[in-house]
Amino acid sequence: DVKVTQSSRYLVKRTGEKVFLECVQDMDHENMFWYRQDPGLGLRLIYFSYDVKMKEKGDIPEGYSVSREKKERFSLILESASTNQTSMYLCASTKQGPTEAFFGQGTRLTVV
Amino acid sequence: AQKVTQAQTEISVVEKEDVTLDCVYETRDTTYYLFWYKQPPSGELVFLIRRNSFDEQNEISGRYSWNFQKSTSSFNFTITASQVVDSAVYFCALSEYGGATNKLIFGTGTLLAVQP
Repeated sequence: DVKVTQSSRYLVKRTGEKVFLECVQDMDHENMFWYRQDPGLGLRLIYFSYDVKMKEKGDIPEGYSVSREKKERFSLILESASTNQTSMYLCASTKQGPTEAFFGQGTRLTVV
Repeated sequence: AQKVTQAQTEISVVEKEDVTLDCVYETRDTTYYLFWYKQPPSGELVFLIRRNSFDEQNEISGRYSWNFQKSTSSFNFTITASQVVDSAVYFCALSEYGGATNKLIFGTGTLLAVQP
């Protein structure tokens, strides 16, 4: 069974903390993505990566960074968490080209 | 710029009714791909269908059907004889053909509630 696994389902962090959200896929996919999902706003792309050590900004990269040191792992980093980063975060992966995306189960992050 | 609009925020129907979810997209590319995903209450998005911009044939899969019309930039999704298990958020998405990358842009989603 193909899988995209996010390290935590629920996370509560304090304002100003550095937060790491981890995502691992076992399908040898080239592309990996981080989205955040907020009511009424749908899924908004934060960052994506098309190869190891390669990354591109999505539509809302401010306040976030990413790391892809290995093909199977894509990390989202909140350098200094703020309350407006409270959200559901979704990781996805695809093969090269416009193929279907496989999603993780999501991480609901609350920043207090 | 790419954009996907799902104007229906919420739809409520009674079981066995037919329901259509609308999707309108904007792109400057001639080669692009359209997708529908389902997000059940458990949260994990599930792929339903992909169409490319050169294939305007409608598609039917069981109770699901999709109507792609380039002339109106629409890719609508119909569920026939809806069931309670169809209750979910449905997302339409657009990807322009960018070679190696597949940047997926999503609409805001439509919450479908099917009442028994």
